[in-house]
Amino acid sequence: DTAVSQTPKYLVTQMGNDKSIKCEQNLGHDTMYWYKQDSKKFLKIMFSYNNKELIINETVPNRFSPKSPDKAHLNLHINSLELGDSAVYFCASSQERQREGYGEQFFGPGTRLTVL
Amino acid sequence: GENVEQHPSTLSVQEGDSAVIKCTYSDSASNYFPWYKQELGKGPQLIIDIRSNVGEKKDQRIAVTLNKTAKHFSLHITETQPEDSAVYFCAAGYTGTASKLTFGTGTRLQVTL
Repeated sequence: DTAVSQTPKYLVTQMGNDKSIKCEQNLGHDTMYWYKQDSKKFLKIMFSYNNKELIINETVPNRFSPKSPDKAHLNLHINSLELGDSAVYFCASSQERQREGYGEQFFGPGTRLTVL
Repeated sequence: GENVEQHPSTLSVQEGDSAVIKCTYSDSASNYFPWYKQELGKGPQLIIDIRSNVGEKKDQRIAVTLNKTAKHFSLHITETQPEDSAVYFCAAGYTGTASKLTFGTGTRLQVTL
C-alpha cells in the first residue's frame, strides 16, 4: 500500500503555463507538507498544512498556491511557470504525537517538474 | 531561522568500513534531529532520529549521537554494504503545531566493493 502518493511523477511543460501536482496520504496523518528539491539535491520546505489549515508558508512566490480539500490531500498549483521552477517536488505527511510532539515525516516519491 | 550544515558532501568507503556524517545546527530551540536516506529516484526515508533528551541512539548498524551544547549531531554507519549507497540528509526541527524541519545539504555516500 502506498502511504504518500503523488501525481504525476514527471511533468514537462512550457514557460508561462499553469500546472498542478496532487498529493494524497492514506496514513491518517493531520499534517502535510510540500518540499522543493533543486538540482543540487537541496531540500527546502515550502508549505505545511495542519488539519487543512496553512501553518508554514516559507518565502515562496505567490504563483505557488497549495490547496487542501481535506486532511488526506494537499495539492500544489503553480501559475505562470518559470525556468527556475524546474525541480523535484516532494509531498510529505506526519502525525504530531501528543507526548513527543513530533512525528516522523513520510515522503512521497516526488514529482520531477521540467519547465522548458 | 534554523541553519543546518552537513559534511562531507561526498563520502566514499569500502564495503565493511564505517561511515560518519556530521551536522551542525544553529537554533538552540531545535529538539528533534532525524536522518533521512534518499535512493535514486525516490523520496527521502527516515532511517533514525534522536530527540534532545537523548545523547545517543542505535539501531543495528546505524547510530546517531547528539551534542546539544555544541549543537552538532552525527550519523554513524558500521559494516557498510553496497545497498547503503545513497544520499543522506540530516535535519533539525522543533515540536509544536508549527513544527518544521530544516534539512542539511546532503551527503552522497558511495560504498565500493
